[in-house]
Amino acid sequence: RKEVEQDPGPFNVPEGATVAFNCTYSNSASQSFFWYRQDCRKEPKLLMSVYSSGNEDGRFTAQLNRASQYISLLIRDSKLSDSATYLCVVFRASGGSYIPTFGRGTSLIVHP
Amino acid sequence: NAGVTQTPKFRVLKTGQSMTLLCAQDMNHEYMYWYRQDPGMGLRLIHYSVGEGTTAKGEVPDGYNVSRLKKQNFLLGLESAAPSQTSVYFCASRHTTSATDTQYFGPGTRLTVL
Repeated sequence: RKEVEQDPGPFNVPEGATVAFNCTYSNSASQSFFWYRQDCRKEPKLLMSVYSSGNEDGRFTAQLNRASQYISLLIRDSKLSDSATYLCVVFRASGGSYIPTFGRGTSLIVHP
Repeated sequence: NAGVTQTPKFRVLKTGQSMTLLCAQDMNHEYMYWYRQDPGMGLRLIHYSVGEGTTAKGEVPDGYNVSRLKKQNFLLGLESAAPSQTSVYFCASRHTTSATDTQYFGPGTRLTVL
């Protein structure tokens, strides 16, 4: 089992739809969690951190479920500009450092 | 601030040739990372550094070496390039505080090994 797994999609949704992605992780010692957005042939950029209590930033909501070892990203009122690949990132402790592991990404296509 | 820059942006090598990819950041970040991204594989960590003069292996270090002689620069070397190293290489620096934790990525280097 890969350390961090995501459904590659693509998720094809109309504008205005609500869409949710999950990301599962296998290492119970994982410490911190993030969602990054990557546009085609561009570098990834931080979308939001994921906290145990859940957090919201405008139309985006991220949640962490430590018991089931997954994080989620909910996008409400999807816009055409939300079309991108969404990468989850999990940091785990290793030898005094924190090592990041990326999921393969989930592709989102928002159509008119 | 230029942020994170990578040199070169594109490169074509022949099998067996060597090259060095340069990553530079002007944000005084301690942590720096080298990743490769292949279709359907996501980003995989090659090597990383937690500060000037220190480096460590990531998930896929074979065939690569790194150096962090200056805090602002993180170099990735390919001593003898192989076609399997054809990929897009991203460098990132990381800024952490009690409230934030963000990796800032460079624009990537697209490497083809023939």
